[in-house]
Amino acid sequence: DAKTTQPTSMDCAEGRAANLPCNHSTISGNEYVYWYRQIHSQGPQYIIHGLKNNETNEMASLIITEDRKSSTLILPHATLRDTAVYYCIVRDLITGANSKLTFGKGITLSVRP
Amino acid sequence: GAVVSQHPSRVICKSGTSVKIECRSLDFQATTMFWYRQFPKQSLMLMATSNEGSKATYEQGVEKDKFLINHASLTLSTLTVTSAHPEDSSFYICSASSPTGPTTGNQPQHFGDGTRLSIL
Repeated sequence: DAKTTQPTSMDCAEGRAANLPCNHSTISGNEYVYWYRQIHSQGPQYIIHGLKNNETNEMASLIITEDRKSSTLILPHATLRDTAVYYCIVRDLITGANSKLTFGKGITLSVRP
Repeated sequence: GAVVSQHPSRVICKSGTSVKIECRSLDFQATTMFWYRQFPKQSLMLMATSNEGSKATYEQGVEKDKFLINHASLTLSTLTVTSAHPEDSSFYICSASSPTGPTTGNQPQHFGDGTRLSIL
């Protein structure tokens, strides 16, 4: 799987949008971009994923650049409960549901009151 | 949505004890489950891939005789830490994908809540 790079940490004010960047410059055409988050002492929680089109669900929006070399996860109205480590991961489509996820260090998002 | 249950959530035991951790997919069948380990302030590290009805595939550096994996049914995988020692103390997490739908290639993995293992 291609590697991703993320800033170590960032913070944002409660109620404001949190924009979390991720670089995946070596992503290949058959790899999806996945985002997970891990709140302290819990298992990772799936947020969203995409291939090349922008995606939105009830949790977040995912913006993928046209060249697919980077993406941004957007939490539109951050709350204190969104404080967590966010992982950006690329995953091989061909091996599908049984392909493993390789976690990097992620980005620690701190939402301040 | 897909749910993965892990049990127990916390274990404290003496050195030399063997500990079994269960991972269940509650509303879907999972032919493949994954076991991760996470040390404090570090990221998740994949230990092994658990395949239903066959032997698990272990990552480099993970002792298969120490971390026994059994995936006897489509909804249950177990990880047994044999003769556990203090250095095995860690947060163990399992995951599984729901391989249903027209495009199985992009089904997300869902994770259990983890088991915190403390060996005294």
